[in-house]
Amino acid sequence: DTEVTQTPKHLVMGMTNKKSLKCEQHMGHRAMYWYKQKAKKPPELMFVYSYEKLSINESVPSRFSPECPNSSLLNLHLHALQPEDSALYLCASSQVIWTGRSPLHFGNGTRLTVT
Amino acid sequence: SQQGEEDPQALSIQEGENATMNCSYKTSINNLQWYRQNSGRGLVHLILIRSNEREKHSGRLRVTLDTSKKSSSLLITASRAADTASYFCATETNTGNQFYFGTGTSLTVIP
Repeated sequence: DTEVTQTPKHLVMGMTNKKSLKCEQHMGHRAMYWYKQKAKKPPELMFVYSYEKLSINESVPSRFSPECPNSSLLNLHLHALQPEDSALYLCASSQVIWTGRSPLHFGNGTRLTVT
Repeated sequence: SQQGEEDPQALSIQEGENATMNCSYKTSINNLQWYRQNSGRGLVHLILIRSNEREKHSGRLRVTLDTSKKSSSLLITASRAADTASYFCATETNTGNQFYFGTGTSLTVIP
């Protein structure tokens, strides 16, 4: 079992829907990440929060909107997605930003299908 | 963009055999890490090796790092069916504080 919890595990949404992915950790980590992973590919970084502030946005389209309400929670709000956005969305956390001092802890992801 | 290229892309071995996978990267790094991902699950950190280290062991895992060749290898000894997974190297660059995953190796251990 992972110490980073992601909900829901699976999500099917239409292109006009609005939905949110949620991530929670209680390890006291101050950096949290969203990654997108397509089948048989490595994870691609989307966003990084450090001490609840958005630190990195990897030129992600505005139909993805991250939010960090507190140090334990990370949300990803989805709106007007495209079928090519279908992927496994992974949340991760680490003690501080980047991992030279601590490794990334991943959740098991949300499998998103956009119809 | 991805920093690391792994080879082979796929590896199939019998239980009990050793598995070796390699990672090559492009720019100078602070450290290199290996992660495992079981199908449909999140990644799990296996081991971290710093740029001033050449070899590191953890249980059945042995990692080497050659910074002059910009390459690393992961050896899993006495493989088990439960080792079946994808393995990714990940590098933290020492310029711009960036972190990249490699392309991954898919390992199948046949019981």
